[in-house]
Amino acid sequence: AQSVTQLDSQVPVFEEAPVELRCNYSSSVSVYLFWYVQYPNQGLQLLLKYLSGSTLVESINGFEAEFNKSQTSFHLRKPSVHISDTAEYFCAVRPYSGAGSYQLTFGKGTKLSVIP
Amino acid sequence: DTAVSQTPKYLVTQMGNDKSIKCEQNLGHDTMYWYKQDSKKFLKIMFSYNNKELIINETVPNRFSPKSPDKAHLNLHINSLELGDSAVYFCASSQGSLSNQPQHFGDGTRLSIL
Repeated sequence: AQSVTQLDSQVPVFEEAPVELRCNYSSSVSVYLFWYVQYPNQGLQLLLKYLSGSTLVESINGFEAEFNKSQTSFHLRKPSVHISDTAEYFCAVRPYSGAGSYQLTFGKGTKLSVIP
Repeated sequence: DTAVSQTPKYLVTQMGNDKSIKCEQNLGHDTMYWYKQDSKKFLKIMFSYNNKELIINETVPNRFSPKSPDKAHLNLHINSLELGDSAVYFCASSQGSLSNQPQHFGDGTRLSIL
């Protein structure tokens, strides 16, 4: 079984300041890692994913996440946030294989509020 | 061109009623899912279908019955609605058994039970 812990339920940050949203996971098998973003009254959109290779992955809108296997973490960062980044962010894992590989296990989400 | 579309977007109904939520995807995916997001935003898998076959059925009351008439559709029928069923229900799809493929989500159906 897998579990995902997002340590902060809410993160307020001023516009143009850096931000880090923390994610730790627990799994007895190897997993793929994902960050999804949910804007108000919308569904989830994939922000970025770690499958293999370089442990640092980047999205097209300036976010990046680093996979740390020893710390079982996949923290999301952005050096300078914009008002439009205000949203709920979900970290998720999915096993490489087996019956559980069909489902995503989500953390409880972190609400990022960017203050003008 | 909506990739995963759900109808209705909002559903307000009384306790005890039976309702259905429809989901369609035009991405050519062969796996579809239903998730429930509670009032605290926590997302939990309910069902998953691969090529119209049920592959995941989490501990969901049997009042919830998914139906997949073809690979592009996965509907959710709920009998005898209860107050605790109030939530946002998300449909999603992905390309099947490849677990490195991301899931694409619909915009959700907001179900409110009076």
